[in-house]
Amino acid sequence: GAGVSQSPSNKVTEKGKDVELRCDPISGHTALYWYRQSLGQGLEFLIYFQGNSAPDKSGLPSDRFSAERTGGSVSTLTIQRTQQEDSAVYLCASSPTVKASNAYNEQFFGPGTRLTVL
Amino acid sequence: GNSVTQMEGPVTLSEEAFLTINCTYTATGYPSLFWYVQYPGEGLQLLLKATKADDKGSNKGFEATYRKETTSFHLEKGSVQVSDSAVYFCALLGSNYKLTFGKGTLLTVNP
Repeated sequence: GAGVSQSPSNKVTEKGKDVELRCDPISGHTALYWYRQSLGQGLEFLIYFQGNSAPDKSGLPSDRFSAERTGGSVSTLTIQRTQQEDSAVYLCASSPTVKASNAYNEQFFGPGTRLTVL
Repeated sequence: GNSVTQMEGPVTLSEEAFLTINCTYTATGYPSLFWYVQYPGEGLQLLLKATKADDKGSNKGFEATYRKETTSFHLEKGSVQVSDSAVYFCALLGSNYKLTFGKGTLLTVNP
């Protein structure tokens, strides 16, 4: 079946512009995660959704970052007034659910969106 | 908080050589441990996992054993191939449901 998809695959923007990154999770997956992969910081957790609510936003680096999820499916990560340090690959992942026991909470990753802020 | 430390790369090996990539972790509770692989130009893929102490995860000739006493989850393969060239990430999943990753190790296998 179809995996996690993300769009666009590449985005080049000018400093100060807003960008929206989209994630389509695997059908039926209720949990959705955003991570950021950058040269200096490695892979960092940003936010996760269970259904349409975001119980953990602890990884969002500043109030310029926000995310929403509608219909328990598609999610959008928005970065306002982009800065050069926002340049990174933004990864989305989904899992069937978030269980109290994390033994089988495997996360499936999309190909990522490479964001370059000039 | 949770953290993962893995050996810095890059690692360069000849085909059929033995591979070890070290990974140690710090976590509260009883995390699950993972190795993810990222092939050039592709997304992260789960390579193997272990959910409790002494479990051995294995896939595609790679193995890793969850060692609680040494808080380690070292990745090994007996005979690497050129197609194994990729970046390997050790990760843990704790009770807060988010993956914590190591910084990644670039492996290059030469023919």
